Amino acid sequence: DVKVTQSSRYLVKRTGEKVFLECVQDMDHENMFWYRQDPGLGLRLIYFSYDVKMKEKGDIPEGYSVSREKKERFSLILESASTNQTSMYLCASSFSGKGFSSYNEQFFGPGTRLTVL
Amino acid sequence: GQQVMQIPQYQHVQEGEDFTTYCNSSTTLSNIQWYKQRPGGHPVFLIQLVKSGEVKKQKRLTFQFGEAKKNSSLHITATQTTDVGTYFCAGPPSGGSNYKLTFGKGTLLTVNP
Repeated sequence: DVKVTQSSRYLVKRTGEKVFLECVQDMDHENMFWYRQDPGLGLRLIYFSYDVKMKEKGDIPEGYSVSREKKERFSLILESASTNQTSMYLCASSFSGKGFSSYNEQFFGPGTRLTVL
Repeated sequence: GQQVMQIPQYQHVQEGEDFTTYCNSSTTLSNIQWYKQRPGGHPVFLIQLVKSGEVKKQKRLTFQFGEAKKNSSLHITATQTTDVGTYFCAGPPSGGSNYKLTFGKGTLLTVNP
């Protein structure tokens, strides 16, 4: 049974704290993603990684950084948490398919609901 | 950049009624995927469509990909309470990396038993 796990289901932090969100997948996927989900805004891509130590900015990278030292692990870092980063954070992974018809479905973790006070 | 729009944003139906959500992209898509997110859950992959005009069925769910590969629809026949959730479409831009997806904002379906 394929699995994407996230380090915490709920997290409460204070403004200015450094926050680490961890994601681990056991499917040997090349690609990993971090999204945030807010009511009415859907899923917005923060960062993604297509290989170890490789990363690309998504649509809303400001205030975030990422780290991928091992293939199975992708970390999202909030250098100095702010209240507008209160959100649901979803990690996902996918196989790096070849060609436009390859199946590259994304597998999501359960999410981390982060509250910044 | 690419935009993926979904309508309606919300849909409330009586159990047994049909439901349709529509997805439109500002650019041509190489493929389109559909996901379902149950309340309190995470998005789960339903299906991927690749060919122009493609139609696929999963029991009461019918998925279509437009001829121009810029729009798609999901139709549920005779909804059940188990269909409750948010349905997202997502697609990589044509000519871009195939693994990065742009998601629509989703359609939240509620079903009155």
